[in-house]
Amino acid sequence: AQSVTQLDSQVPVFEEAPVELRCNYSSSVSVYLFWYVQYPNQGLQLLLKYLSGSTLVKGINGFEAEFNKSQTSFHLRKPSVHISDTAEYFCAVSENDAAGNKLTFGGGTRVLVKP
Amino acid sequence: EAGVAQSPRYKIIEKRQSVAFWCNPISGHATLYWYQQILGQGPKLLIQFQNNGVVDDSQLPKDRFSAERLKGVDSTLKIQPAKLEDSAVYLCASSSLPGQGNTGELFFGEGSRLTVL
Repeated sequence: AQSVTQLDSQVPVFEEAPVELRCNYSSSVSVYLFWYVQYPNQGLQLLLKYLSGSTLVKGINGFEAEFNKSQTSFHLRKPSVHISDTAEYFCAVSENDAAGNKLTFGGGTRVLVKP
Repeated sequence: EAGVAQSPRYKIIEKRQSVAFWCNPISGHATLYWYQQILGQGPKLLIQFQNNGVVDDSQLPKDRFSAERLKGVDSTLKIQPAKLEDSAVYLCASSSLPGQGNTGELFFGEGSRLTVL
């Protein structure tokens, strides 16, 4: 069975400062990795994904993540955050099979950007 | 392209009452998922359909929860009778099959927020 651990439940950060959200996963097979963002009272929106190829993945809104297979990590980073980045961020892992892309999510990291 | 549609957005009921949520996936998506998101936690998969068949319902509390996707398009999730701990956001998601333009991701609706009093 696969699992995802997000090491920080809350991350306060000042506007224009960098932020890193940590994610570790466990799985017995090759996986796909995702970061989703959830704004208040909204559904989940994809930030970026790793399927294969380059381990550094760039996503929307200036976010990027690096896949590290040896450390089973997929940390999310942004060099300079905006107030509008205040949201909850979820790391997820998928074992892709013929039936689709069943995702297992971490517990989430709430980012609060302060002026 | 229209996204995943869910209704109602909000529902408040008393414990032991019943409730139903509806989801219409993105057109052409064969796979449909229902997730439960309790406040402060990540979403947890309840059930996965491929077309009108159930792929995985191992986490669905079958004594009170039921779901169907009779024609392989839209789906209904029902809770009867509801308990206090069922208060959560119920998220519907869809994806295409591998080999049919699948990009690996799930597309989510805005969710249905249930409050059980």
